[in-house]
Amino acid sequence: NAGVTQTPKFRILKIGQSMTLQCAQDMNHNYMYWYRQDPGMGLKLIYYSVGAGITDKGEVPNGYNVSRSTTEDFPLRLELAAPSQTSVYFCASSLNRANTEAFFGQGTRLTVV
Amino acid sequence: AQKVTQAQTEISVVEKEDVTLDCVYETRDTTYYLFWYKQPPSGELVFLIRRNSFDEQNEISGRYSWNFQKSTSSFNFTITASQVVDSAVYFCALSDSNTGNQFYFGTGTSLTVIP
Repeated sequence: NAGVTQTPKFRILKIGQSMTLQCAQDMNHNYMYWYRQDPGMGLKLIYYSVGAGITDKGEVPNGYNVSRSTTEDFPLRLELAAPSQTSVYFCASSLNRANTEAFFGQGTRLTVV
Repeated sequence: AQKVTQAQTEISVVEKEDVTLDCVYETRDTTYYLFWYKQPPSGELVFLIRRNSFDEQNEISGRYSWNFQKSTSSFNFTITASQVVDSAVYFCALSDSNTGNQFYFGTGTSLTVIP
């Protein structure tokens, strides 16, 4: 049982480049989330999805885009990478609303130089 | 507004000592959920416990115990007889019925257990 799988684990981007962080879950969870973790700041929600075809902004959505074409996949797109997007990104899923525990991927450490 | 405060940024204890990690939350809802997650040095977040606002019973799981007190809006986490493997960052999180589409995380407490 893979749970939540994120790729890549590490990436270095140059300013202005774009990339997609992949996230897949095999638990048939409806809800999926993207968080970023900055030192001493906890986790901040970027985007979330309540099901295929439905996405919504979280606390810090600027500079990112998402899509949810299937229940399993929830990719995060960075357009025109900026140094402020240097962070660790976590994808998570939960069965229903955020009153059930979330399962997290192993994270993607992104550095923008 | 929802908020989770973990005032202890870093804690160091010697192995076998007991340690309590504090979590104070704010919400206007009467229905809400509280969580603790562990982030070991390997980086992944591991779910430890979930509590709903209607269940104030304390819980014990092995060396871990949780004290939920609505009167003080606190959900503290105690590790008894700490071990080196307990070294990690611990996050407290909140979700409520109004904004049940996300978890609000505290800033985390970094626990170091010294052998």
